[in-house]
This record gives sequence, structure tokens and C-alpha cells, in this order.
Amino acid sequence: AQKITQTQPGMFVQEKEAVTLDCTYDTSDPSYGLFWYKQPSSGEMIFLIYQGSYDQQNATEGRYSLNFQKARKSANLVISASQLGDSAMYFCAMREGLESSGDKLTFGTGTRLAVRP
Amino acid sequence: GAVVSQHPSRVICKSGTSVKIECRSLDFQATTMFWYRQFPKQSLMLMATSNEGSKATYEQGVEKDKFLINHASLTLSTLTVTSAHPEDSSFYICSADSALPGRTEAFFGQGTRLTVV
Repeated sequence: AQKITQTQPGMFVQEKEAVTLDCTYDTSDPSYGLFWYKQPSSGEMIFLIYQGSYDQQNATEGRYSLNFQKARKSANLVISASQLGDSAMYFCAMREGLESSGDKLTFGTGTRLAVRP
Repeated sequence: GAVVSQHPSRVICKSGTSVKIECRSLDFQATTMFWYRQFPKQSLMLMATSNEGSKATYEQGVEKDKFLINHASLTLSTLTVTSAHPEDSSFYICSADSALPGRTEAFFGQGTRLTVV
């Protein structure tokens, strides 16, 4: 079974508008972390935002926020005020267990975001 | 922030030769590093977990004799693709957990695009 599901292979958004990228996850571990990474065409993986399973509030990092709905097992990424430079692949990932070392990340299939001028 | 350097960024090799890819943590020690493979327009698939001073743990379906991993120090892990064939052409990327206080994300190298001709 897929542990991380991203149902949107591609998305368009108009520059300066907000966009939501969907991510649902599946785990029986009560302790887990959810991540979003951006991958531009150069291939590097850029960390955007993190949400721990016990975090009470939704994570925010600048224009990025994570809409964490634990009961629904969803962790959608919201990008506000989209910029042309936001055009890239976006991956949702999960680490089961909360320790930062030694636990692998499982990635979703990604969403390609294109920002229109 | 923590920096992971991966080298080379691109390599073209002849079929039957071996290629070594290096992954270095520049400003922190990494007891665990991870090696991923990414086919075009697909997600990152974990190949193996590299443990300093011990044997790597390979994911199911990954040939350990073909993809040799060595983690000889706390700052360096290497992936050697032995007897490379065109089907090994892919994007390979490493990551390391910094275990820095308050930092939970995995830091990725820049990736290596391998083309076997």
C-alpha cells in the first residue's frame, strides 16, 4: 500500500495567487514526521516545511504553510503569493518515528507545479 | 544550515565500467546516509541505508553487488555502480540527517545524473 499519496500529477497557478498541493499518508506509527521538498529542474531537493505528528499547530515557513489534518491523514502544502520561481516538482514525504537520524523518508510521486505569469 | 555535497553532478560512462559517486557532509557528522534513485518524472526510491562503520542495508530488489556502498567515515559515503549498463542510467541522490538540535529534515546532496552509453 502507498504510504504517501499525491493525487495531483500537475498543477497550474497564476502568479501571485495561492495554491494547495495535496498529500495523504498512511501509517500506524503514532510518531511520525511529514515533510515537503521542492525539486527544481536542476534536481536538488530543497526542504520547505516539516510537521511532526504531535505538533498542535500547523507549520508555517514564510509563504509555505502545511494544512495538517491528522484525523484525515492529510498534510497539504499551501503556497501563498505564488512566484514564477515556484515552478518545480513538489514531493511530500514521511518519516516514521520522530528521531532525525536513521529513519528513512518515504516519498510520494510528486506534483509538478507550473506558475503562469 | 547543514550542507551535503555530492560529486560528480554528471557522469557519462561506457557500458561495463564502474562509477563512484561521493556524498559528503561538510559541516556535520552523519552516522547514517541514504542513497536514492530517481527515474525521469518519477519519485525518489530508496536504494539503501548507509551506516558508518558497518554494512549498508539495502532495500528489497536492489542488487548489493551492483551498487556497492561504503561509509568509511562520519562525513563520507560512496556509491559505486559496478559494471554499469544503460539501464543503470538514472539520477542518484544522497541524503543525511544532521541530528542538529531542533533540525529534523534530511539534507540532500545535489544529485548525480548518470548516463551509461
